[in-house]
Amino acid sequence: KNQVEQSPQSLIILEGKNCTLQCNYTVSPFSNLRWYKQDTGRGPVSLTIMTFSENTKSNGRYTATLDADTKQSSLHITASQLSDSASYICVVSARGSYIPTFGRGTSLIVHP
Amino acid sequence: EAEVAQSPRYKITEKSQAVAFWCDPISGHATLYWYRQILGQGPELLVQFQDESVVDDSQLPKDRFSAERLKGVDSTLKIQPAELGDSAMYLCASSLQPRSGNTIYFGEGSWLTVV
Repeated sequence: KNQVEQSPQSLIILEGKNCTLQCNYTVSPFSNLRWYKQDTGRGPVSLTIMTFSENTKSNGRYTATLDADTKQSSLHITASQLSDSASYICVVSARGSYIPTFGRGTSLIVHP
Repeated sequence: EAEVAQSPRYKITEKSQAVAFWCDPISGHATLYWYRQILGQGPELLVQFQDESVVDDSQLPKDRFSAERLKGVDSTLKIQPAELGDSAMYLCASSLQPRSGNTIYFGEGSWLTVV
């Protein structure tokens, strides 16, 4: 069964600090992996998409990495801001499948 | 930037009443999804449409939930009768085509509270 596991479940950091969120998956055959940011009470918004051949992709202060061999991805947030407080959801798609597999998300709280 | 429109944003209804949610996907997007998201969890797919046809509704509780996309554009999700456990956020999303590489764009969601 395709699964996506995210850790930690929740994280609290101080403004200005860096943090890294983890995503492990068993989805196969792998097609792509996305990170979404979901503000409280809002719909998820796509941050990055990574395919099999990509190891790193950046979007401003967000940097996603992918290791397709170990089936792991991470999302690194640099110099965190209060507006980074949100849930970050990892979504993995299998090749040939129309239905992606969602992780439960990591809840990030950035304190001033 | 084009958005997926949903309404209502918030709905409070009594148990056993009927409730309906509406979604207008991004223009030109053939694929439309309805997800349910319980607080603290990731979205769970309820139903997926390709144009006006249902592609997957295996997780839709068909005894009380129904969804339609009659003209292949906007869509309605109905719950009748509503139960306490239906309290959640209902997210509509769309993509150009149901290919795994296409980005899924989400609406702002409709919060349902059943009392």
